Amino acid sequence: GENVEQHPSTLSVQEGDSAVIKCTYSDSASNYFPWYKQELGKRPQLIIDIRSNVGEKKDQRIAVTLNKTAKHFSLHITETQPEDSAVYFCAASLLSGAGSYQLTFGKGTKLSVIP
Amino acid sequence: GAGVSQTPSNKVTEKGKYVELRCDPISGHTALYWYRQSLGQGPEFLIYFQGTGAADDSGLPNDRFFAVRPEGSVSTLKIQRTERGDSAVYLCASSPKGGQGQANVLTFGAGSRLTVL
Repeated sequence: GENVEQHPSTLSVQEGDSAVIKCTYSDSASNYFPWYKQELGKRPQLIIDIRSNVGEKKDQRIAVTLNKTAKHFSLHITETQPEDSAVYFCAASLLSGAGSYQLTFGKGTKLSVIP
Repeated sequence: GAGVSQTPSNKVTEKGKYVELRCDPISGHTALYWYRQSLGQGPEFLIYFQGTGAADDSGLPNDRFFAVRPEGSVSTLKIQRTERGDSAVYLCASSPKGGQGQANVLTFGAGSRLTVL
């Protein structure tokens, strides 16, 4: 099955600086890579996603890049703000033999933005 | 409804008891997933429904876990003879469709926090 590694596990940045979170995946058949933000005690919320036919996607201060050859993808947050503080999860999606798109999640990165 | 609704939000039970956790997906979403999130970890896949059928239950840890979705909408996750290791947040997610070449975008519920004493 799929295995997703995420680094770093914790990240502290000064407000206004950039933050980068990196993930690698094991199964080259994976074709969908979402990123979720989870605030303490709340549900994971999709913030951006990328599909395997695209190398980069940007949405305001958030961007995701995908390198299919190396099987890694990264989340970039620019001009960080205190409200960006949360746990961020990457995931990789693979069509299973049963027809489901199971998401395999990384272990998360706790981002702290220091005012 | 407007979002994925899960009840109860918190459940405390004793070892050996039976629990049911309910998920009400977004109206019209045919695909429904259950995930389990332990403290400090990412969500782990348990089971996937497409309509009424459990199309993929490969993530269920053992036969104490079972889930149903009899009318293709609300789903119930059932755990028998609970153990302390079952303590986690159980997340439900739904998407408009699943499989058939479409990568699904999941919307998660707030989860049910289960504590087994």
